[in-house]
Order: sequence, then C-alpha cells, then structure tokens
Amino acid sequence: EVQLVQSGAEVKKPGESLKISCKGSRYSFASYWISWVRQMPGKGLEWMGRIEPSDSYTSYSPSFQGHVSISVDKSINTAYLQWNSLEVSDSAMYYCARRQWSSDAFDIWGQGTMVTVSS
Amino acid sequence: QSALTQPASVSGSPGQSITISCTGTSSDVGTYNLVSWYQQHPGKAPKLMIYEGSKRPSGISNRFAGSKSGNTASLAISGLQAEDEADYYCCSYAGSSLYVFGSGTKVTVL
Repeated sequence: EVQLVQSGAEVKKPGESLKISCKGSRYSFASYWISWVRQMPGKGLEWMGRIEPSDSYTSYSPSFQGHVSISVDKSINTAYLQWNSLEVSDSAMYYCARRQWSSDAFDIWGQGTMVTVSS
Repeated sequence: QSALTQPASVSGSPGQSITISCTGTSSDVGTYNLVSWYQQHPGKAPKLMIYEGSKRPSGISNRFAGSKSGNTASLAISGLQAEDEADYYCCSYAGSSLYVFGSGTKVTVL
C-alpha cells in the first residue's frame, strides 16, 4: 500500500527548534511533490508549501514563507518540515500530502504530526 | 492569498442531496480547472474525493460530484448517508506552484 508515515507528536517550548518528518513508501518517492498542510485546533486546512524531491525545489505560501523550511532526503524517501524558533501559535496538527501524478490534487496523506508549543 | 470561501455548515436528511459551494477569485478557481475536494472525519487525515473539478478517484462513490462555474466550484452529495457526516474542504491551484484551501464546511446528516 502506498503510504506516507509521519513522525510522532512533539511538545516543545517557545524559541526551540523542531524538524518533523514524512516518509514515503511503496512508490517512486522522487517523482511526486510533497506538500505540508497545517490544521490548527478546531480550524481548517492551510497549505504551507511543497517540495519536489527530485531536485529539492520548494515553494511556500506567503503566510509561511520565512517561518518554516521544507527539505527532503530522497535517499531515504523522507521529507521534512522545520522550524528554527517555534512560537505558541505553531501549535497545530501538521500533515504531509502527496501531489497526485499529473494533477494538482493531494491523493495520499500522512497520518499527521501534532506539535504543541507551550512554556 | 486568502482562503476560498465555503459555507460554515450544510445539513440534510438521509437520502437527500446537498451542495457545498467554494468561491474563489479569477486568480485561482476562476482561472484553473484544478479544484479538488477533501473529506475529513474527526481525528482523521483528509481524503481526496474529487480532483480537476469533477473527476473521482478510484473507489469514490458516484454520489459525489464536482462542478465549476466562474469563480465558484461546487461539490454535490446525493443520497446522503450517515457516513457522509464530516468536514469538507475545497482546494485550488493558484498559480506559481501555490495552492489555497477553502474555509471548510461541516456537513451534518439530520
């Protein structure tokens, strides 16, 4: 079964750094873009940005540009979402999602990683 | 890049049909026929229901149908069932490798 498996829940303090992961399996990982999507508690989905694993090209939503970074290690079929300095407002569920081949839709989703930032 | 506008809630009785609207702008929904729809049950990851405006992935019931007119896309659910109760989100390609989601609609089966 094609799947994306994300790293586990994290509890951090404001100002700390964090890197969460998303590992793809049973498909050609380098051939499909990976996006990250935020869902704050009780709120809707927000597209954050995406990466092309083949060449690590990234694009970000203006709302998230400069606050997070997306990277990939295609040798281990894993994409990452990273913060250098967390804020309380970063507390949310984060999903990775695969862009469907030849179509701008997200066909495979990770199970989500809950990030809690609290002093 | 503002969120696409969806009604906060839509409800219907079992067997009935409902429609969820998704209003964007000429920079996203109006220009690209690349609207997708996602179903999300509480505590679960979203699930792709419709892509490219009206296409259904394999395994998705034909009770779900997508369409678009101008800057507004729509998702129709016919023969409403209890299992359809969930949150629904539209998403549109917005150019320059960017995407924007809708505000989300809670569907209640009465």
